Amino acid sequence: QLQLQESGPGLVKPSETLSLTCTVSGGSISSSSYYWGWIRQPPGKGLEWIGSIYYTGSTYYNPSLKSRVTISVDTSKNQFSLKLSSVTAADTAVYYCARVSLTAIGTNWFDPWGQGTLVTVSS
Amino acid sequence: QSALTQPASVSGSPGQSITISCTGTSSDVGGYNYVSWYQQHPGKAPKLMIYDVNKRPSGVSNRFSGSKSGNTASLTISGLQAEDEADYYCCSYAVSSPHVVFGGGTKLTVL
Repeated sequence: QLQLQESGPGLVKPSETLSLTCTVSGGSISSSSYYWGWIRQPPGKGLEWIGSIYYTGSTYYNPSLKSRVTISVDTSKNQFSLKLSSVTAADTAVYYCARVSLTAIGTNWFDPWGQGTLVTVSS
Repeated sequence: QSALTQPASVSGSPGQSITISCTGTSSDVGGYNYVSWYQQHPGKAPKLMIYDVNKRPSGVSNRFSGSKSGNTASLTISGLQAEDEADYYCCSYAVSSPHVVFGGGTKLTVL
């Protein structure tokens, strides 16, 4: 069955760049039917979509984060990655990767999700 | 403030039914049948429970059902069980940016 696993540093200094990778197993990231996305959840708060990518490299981002976000894909490794620049304490959150179902007009649902990784922004 | 409005908490006794509402606008919940619901246990990742308003993924109990009326979507859990105690989030496509909106979450307590 399809599984996703996030990896990356759990502590990032303010103003630096947060970098995470999601490894997909049990299926191909090159599936023509899905995008792959990042969602985050600050401690004790709700969910926020960050952005999504297709295996061809086509991306779309949450406008509130777009200036700081880069999502990329490596089909040879069945992985996709997130970079978030100029981080502040407000970027402290659990970061999840997920498979994204898209319709002709936009995002539909997220399934499955990775287990999540807590990234703390602190000096 | 979340784009979709959910009650902060609901509760019910084992065996009872509860309904969690998710209120948006005609630009999201009311305008499209792209509403999904997620269950999240403490310290765990969200799990898809309902998609396309009322469809259940394989493996999800038929005690979970979804519906929509106007700008409000609802998740109903029948025959409440202790394991249903969790946070529940709704999500919808939205015509305006960022095009994906979540509710603030509802904490379900099984008494």
